[in-house]
Amino acid sequence: GQNIDQPTEMTATEGAIVQINCTYQTSGFNGLFWYQQHAGEAPTFLSYNVLDGLEEKGRFSSFLSRSKGYSYLLLKELQMKDSASYLCAVSLSGAGSYQLTFGKGTKLSVIP
Amino acid sequence: NAGVMQNPRHLVRRRGQEARLRCSPMKGHSHVYWYRQLPEEGLKFMVYLQKENIIDESGMPKERFSAEFPKEGPSILRIQQVVRGDSAAYFCASSPLLAGGGNTEAFFGQGTRLTVV
Repeated sequence: GQNIDQPTEMTATEGAIVQINCTYQTSGFNGLFWYQQHAGEAPTFLSYNVLDGLEEKGRFSSFLSRSKGYSYLLLKELQMKDSASYLCAVSLSGAGSYQLTFGKGTKLSVIP
Repeated sequence: NAGVMQNPRHLVRRRGQEARLRCSPMKGHSHVYWYRQLPEEGLKFMVYLQKENIIDESGMPKERFSAEFPKEGPSILRIQQVVRGDSAAYFCASSPLLAGGGNTEAFFGQGTRLTVV
């Protein structure tokens, strides 16, 4: 089976840095996605990692280690609008690569 | 370019009724995916469709659930004889190419929240 773990909730202060971890155990791996989802809204794409290393995109960065089955999303200079759920999702290798397997999401609360 | 449009946003049905959820993909997107999000759970893949074809329905319950993506019009997810356990948020996503493997992300709609009473 597929297993993706991420913390349920996190709290951080406005202006700070927060790291949201995601570990996965899957049969086959193609790449890892991070999505942001505000309450009642659509998940929106943040990043995609297929190779080991860090991908930086503005205030958001995502890291992947394929050998460790580990990824993290790093958010810098936190803003109140960053309060949302952050979803880690794995794309599996093979014919079913279009199927994303999601973790339960990490609800981030940014406080003043 | 409008995003993925789902309607209705909220749907209330009594047990035993039928629920019809609609999804219009982004312009130029021919790949449509449906996901279900139960309370306190992650999104779970249900079905992948291209125009007039069901490609993969491995995540669909065997009974009462069906999906279509006709040549004209939106994709429809249909749930017959709904039960309380069907209460969930149903998300549709679309992509211009096959999502996932080709570094092509899927764009999600805002979802339909189905409540069965």
